[in-house]
Amino acid sequence: GAVVSQHPSRVICKSGTSVKIECRSLDFQATTMFWYRQFPKQSLMLMATSNEGSKATYEQGVEKDKFLINHASLTLSTLTVTSAHPEDSSFYICSARISGTDTQYFGPGTRLTVL
Amino acid sequence: DAKTTQPTSMDCAEGRAANLPCNHSTISGNEYVYWYRQIHSQGPQYIIHGLKNNETNEMASLIITEDRKSSTLILPHATLRDTAVYYCIVRLPTYSGAGSYQLTFGKGTKLSVIP
Repeated sequence: GAVVSQHPSRVICKSGTSVKIECRSLDFQATTMFWYRQFPKQSLMLMATSNEGSKATYEQGVEKDKFLINHASLTLSTLTVTSAHPEDSSFYICSARISGTDTQYFGPGTRLTVL
Repeated sequence: DAKTTQPTSMDCAEGRAANLPCNHSTISGNEYVYWYRQIHSQGPQYIIHGLKNNETNEMASLIITEDRKSSTLILPHATLRDTAVYYCIVRLPTYSGAGSYQLTFGKGTKLSVIP
């Protein structure tokens, strides 16, 4: 149980384009989902917290107009990187919290490369 | 949330027990200790968590000292697939009213299991 999927697992795009990443909780409902970013040889950094049916809360320094988050259902959250640039190349990981608990389960991550 | 201190890296022989220490000397009375691990290029995986008592599940055991200032994650029979970065995270429960669902990742311990 407690499986979280992400799609795509890897994406390469041209500078200036937008990329959408999906995060799904497969066997549970997730009131809250989180988006993290991880640069090479660094730890995970929280980007934003997403609650179903409401606006996401972004961490300091994360541009909400650049990283659009939608959490329209209890099993799906999406992150759209708009007008991507090479410096946005990173490993993006989502996690989902089982409603009623504090434990988060993570997706396998999405490797974004912007050329 | 209390800060944690972990060794940067550790080696363990395959088949032996891996004991990963974590210091959290400023932990408060109702903060939990969580352990996650991240295998290379994958999302973090939840391992175990505890408050005061020692905990065991199918993956590992968590030993928390009586004063709660430190803990040890034990993988009883390490395999090559246990090679990963292990993160010890201390956080308040959300039912406390002051807790947040966020997880703050430090640098963790890179465990290398050697054949």
